[in-house]
Amino acid sequence: GESVGLHLPTLSVQEGDNSIINCAYSNSASDYFIWYKQESGKGPQFIIDIRSNMDKRQGQRVTVLLNKTVKHLSLQIAATQPGDSAVYFCAENVGNFGNEKLTFGTGTRLTIIP
Amino acid sequence: DTGVSQDPRHKITKRGQNVTFRCDPISEHNRLYWYRQTLGQGPEFLTYFQNEAQLEKSRLLSDRFSAERPKGSFSTLEIQRTEQGDSAMYLCASSLVRGFNSPLHFGNGTRLTVT
Repeated sequence: GESVGLHLPTLSVQEGDNSIINCAYSNSASDYFIWYKQESGKGPQFIIDIRSNMDKRQGQRVTVLLNKTVKHLSLQIAATQPGDSAVYFCAENVGNFGNEKLTFGTGTRLTIIP
Repeated sequence: DTGVSQDPRHKITKRGQNVTFRCDPISEHNRLYWYRQTLGQGPEFLTYFQNEAQLEKSRLLSDRFSAERPKGSFSTLEIQRTEQGDSAMYLCASSLVRGFNSPLHFGNGTRLTVT
């Protein structure tokens, strides 16, 4: 079946550098995408979302890029901090109102090196 | 703290026992979701409610699993005759559906260990 996946399971970045986490999705009907951050022992925390009619969206220190042509999603984190160390998940949704049934990828573990 | 609250945080039970988890969503949220997460994997959808109505159930939700949201506020997830394969983190999330962009807000989960 169609699923969301991630290119790299782990990523290490020097503190202060920028990081990019990539995600490939295969369901061409997906129209809403979300990035979540999950710290050990906690539930996923919403970071940023993007609809399929957009190709870029910015938040505080984070940017999500969507390339529908190649079904690729990325999360850029600027000026990384130790608190950014976590597992990051991309999730996709197909539905009229969004979030009816999110499909999550496996996740990428980001480690910030002090 | 006005986030999604789940109770208990941890549950250890013996195979064959029944367990029940509770979720209190963010108060004004009308949608409530249950997900399951195993180690090293992303959360998997189980079921969701719009107010008190259960609108969709995943095939992952066998007949040993039942979820309720009787008054459209808190929800319970019961697993009967637990099996070792039920060991996982059970996550609850809620959202306010008022337009297209309505992110899910997750609780910190209930970790179930079946021995």
